[in-house]
Amino acid sequence: SQTIHQWPATLVQPVGSPLSLECTVEGTSNPNLYWYRQAAGRGLQLLFYSVGIGQISSEVPQNLSASRPQDRQFILSSKKLLLSDSGFYLCAWSVLAVTDTQYFGPGTRLTVL
Amino acid sequence: SQQGEEDPQALSIQEGENATMNCSYKTSINNLQWYRQNSGRGLVHLILIRSNEREKHSGRLRVTLDTSKKSSSLLITASRAADTASYFCATDEGSQGNLIFGKGTKLSVKP
Repeated sequence: SQTIHQWPATLVQPVGSPLSLECTVEGTSNPNLYWYRQAAGRGLQLLFYSVGIGQISSEVPQNLSASRPQDRQFILSSKKLLLSDSGFYLCAWSVLAVTDTQYFGPGTRLTVL
Repeated sequence: SQQGEEDPQALSIQEGENATMNCSYKTSINNLQWYRQNSGRGLVHLILIRSNEREKHSGRLRVTLDTSKKSSSLLITASRAADTASYFCATDEGSQGNLIFGKGTKLSVKP
């Protein structure tokens, strides 16, 4: 069966520090991968998605970047965090089209102080 | 980007009652999905309904889709305290064909 992992689960970082969040998927090949951010009490904002290794699409301009160095690994990064980067970050995957059913990881709670 | 909008934003009911949540969207879609999120957790897919379907059932869940009104509803029958969660609809209205999620309905089921 397929599983998706995210780490760390929680993170507290000072403003201006770098960020690296990792997401890995097991049990499937060539998944579509997604990074979302959820502000408190809000819906999900799509940040990046990837349909293959090295292929990254950005939905909105921001202080973050994403990379997909391996088929089932998706990394969210920042060189310098801003206060506004605080939120709940969710990784997800899907099999077929990007509008197919998505399967979410447990999320990372990021607090920037 | 267009976005599904759930209504109401919050709903509080007693165990055993039915809960109905609505979602409206703005452009034509190929499918609409409903997800559930327990507090502080990831989202879990509940059901997908395609644009050529009008109603779909899964256990205690019933989803309807009215493409003429650009709206969908999620009905949870005989609710349980364990149904307490936020419920989101998602449509394939994204500018790059991606899913767009609404802000969700927060459901509280009291025992």
